[in-house]
Amino acid sequence: EVQLVQSGAEVKKPGESLKISCKGSGYSFTTYWVGWVRQMPGKGLEWMGIIYPGDSDTRYSPSFQGQVTISADKSISTAYLQWTSLKASDTAMYYCARLVAVAGTYADYWGQGTLVTVSS
Amino acid sequence: DIQMTQSPSSLSASVGDRVTITCRASQSISIYLNWYQQKPGKAPKLLIYAASSLQSGVPSRFSGSGSGTDFTLTISSLQPEDFATYYCQQSYNILGTFGQGTKVEIK
Repeated sequence: EVQLVQSGAEVKKPGESLKISCKGSGYSFTTYWVGWVRQMPGKGLEWMGIIYPGDSDTRYSPSFQGQVTISADKSISTAYLQWTSLKASDTAMYYCARLVAVAGTYADYWGQGTLVTVSS
Repeated sequence: DIQMTQSPSSLSASVGDRVTITCRASQSISIYLNWYQQKPGKAPKLLIYAASSLQSGVPSRFSGSGSGTDFTLTISSLQPEDFATYYCQQSYNILGTFGQGTKVEIK
């Protein structure tokens, strides 16, 4: 069974750093892109970026380039989303998803989400 | 950037109703259009990919159509578990933009 299991909720202060994780199981982690999606409170879905764990090829949406870092450790089938200096506006739910690259791309499995709250 | 516009933004419907949600792209995206369902507090769920392909395990009352710039998601007979927010997403670009969502509420 394909599963993506994300790390737990985080409460941070502005300026702090954070790294959240997404562990894949039940499939070949190195042969599918993994993406991160942001959902701010009461708002819609936004792709942040994606990574191909097989070779660490990483792409970012323009809005998130330079704001976050996406990485992966294929030895433990885990993808990461990292901030060096959080802002209050980073408060959101973050989802990881597995991407299938056939007939365009689509996210067929999703993690349960990690809620990040940034508040002084 | 390709903009995706859904309509309506929300709708009220009754169990058993036929519901149609539309999604328009700002330029042609061929058939590279996906639909997701999201319930409160839950992760999105893939319903339809490549405009009209039903994801495995998704009930057949869901269907998608369209190509180019205009797409439709249809629920043939709305069920209680279908009350949720629906998003279209273009996959013409690898980080394809989502529509703003359509909230389907109980009438």
